[in-house]
Amino acid sequence: DAGVIQSPRHEVTEMGQEVTLRCKPISGHDYLFWYRQTMMRGLELLIYFNNNVPIDDSGMPEDRFSAKMPNASFSTLKIQPSEPRDSAVYFCASSSSSASYNEQFFGPGTRLTVL
Amino acid sequence: GESVGLHLPTLSVQEGDNSIINCAYSNSASDYFIWYKQESGKGPQFIIDIRSNMDKRQGQRVTVLLNKTVKHLSLQIAATQPGDSAVYFCAENNDYKLSFGAGTTVTVRA
Repeated sequence: DAGVIQSPRHEVTEMGQEVTLRCKPISGHDYLFWYRQTMMRGLELLIYFNNNVPIDDSGMPEDRFSAKMPNASFSTLKIQPSEPRDSAVYFCASSSSSASYNEQFFGPGTRLTVL
Repeated sequence: GESVGLHLPTLSVQEGDNSIINCAYSNSASDYFIWYKQESGKGPQFIIDIRSNMDKRQGQRVTVLLNKTVKHLSLQIAATQPGDSAVYFCAENNDYKLSFGAGTTVTVRA
């Protein structure tokens, strides 16, 4: 298996622009997570889905952030409009309810820079 | 508030020695405590977990100890190798929501 796939790996954009991050979870996994990592705040859970349904979005910082999971093999995290403070590494992770409760498989991340 | 944190931000270890990474937590209600490893430029990777009703669990070259009396978690790595150089995070799992600590950077000296 190729693991969790994220694209793009790097994104540089200007303040005010829309940013869309993409994730393909591991086939067969029924949980998908979006995290953000910064030096100041560490690794934070933004939102997670179970069977394509958003379960908890309490970590989403504000209305500028939205996430969707239209099917079991694809999810997006969108920021509109983007701001410099959104600069971070965004990780997508997936896991299976039939396997370890604690083992989430992380993608390589998308490094976002908002100028 | 509830938090998971680490005692030391950095640890330098001689190759072949044992490493001990510590973590303090405050949420006694968590079902599981977990250790993740993050290598430079990569996402975190699961190492080992321990259920809250246990005090010790061993894996391959790693041992996790849980002291619920003082709310302390530790990860021991035996015979540390260069490939063990990474940032190590403790985390707790509450209904699939992982809360990560700040991380300890481990550097292995040759």
